[in-house]
Amino acid sequence: AQKVTQAQTEISVVEKEDVTLDCVYETRDTTYYLFWYKQPPSGELVFLIRRNSFDEQNEISGRYSWNFQKSTSSFNFTITASQVVDSAVYFCALRGGGAQKLVFGQGTRLTINP
Amino acid sequence: DSGVTQTPKHLITATGQRVTLRCSPRSGDLSVYWYQQSLDQGLQFLIQYYNGEERAKGNILERFSAQQFPDLHSELNLSSLELGDSALYFCASSVAEPNTEAFFGQGTRLTVV
Repeated sequence: AQKVTQAQTEISVVEKEDVTLDCVYETRDTTYYLFWYKQPPSGELVFLIRRNSFDEQNEISGRYSWNFQKSTSSFNFTITASQVVDSAVYFCALRGGGAQKLVFGQGTRLTINP
Repeated sequence: DSGVTQTPKHLITATGQRVTLRCSPRSGDLSVYWYQQSLDQGLQFLIQYYNGEERAKGNILERFSAQQFPDLHSELNLSSLELGDSALYFCASSVAEPNTEAFFGQGTRLTVV
């Protein structure tokens, strides 16, 4: 069975602080795909990043960065110099190599205070 | 804008009723997925269609059904509604390959009273 755990239910920081959202996954597949989605207060789910299991290279996109470590089954997401607009619920998700469905974690509600 | 269109955005109905949620996928996407988001269950996969055929089934109740039409739009039918069916229902679409991301619509918020 596949499982995604986001142990941090809620995080609250002051603007400009750096914040890391943790994601730990479980799968028996040797090939799998990891995703992060953002759900702002308006409710839609916005795709942020996809990472393949055979590509452990970390990724940086502006203030966002992702750290993928197969050894610890983690795919953590860091926001540098956070802004109020980053306030949202963030979901980590997993898709197995043969499966099509996304398995989501429970989400982390991030609040950035001015 | 993800390119996935869901209608209606909001729906309020009474227990025991039947509703239909509609989804138009991104142009070129053959796969459509339905998810339910509730406070207690989180984001749960319901069902997937690929090019008109059911591909995978998740935690979908027997009172719920879905289909994908030749023009690739999809409908999720919810019947004999109960209070516990109140949730945000998302449609997502993607190309067929697993190494691609799914793009989500804005969701339909269903309230059963």
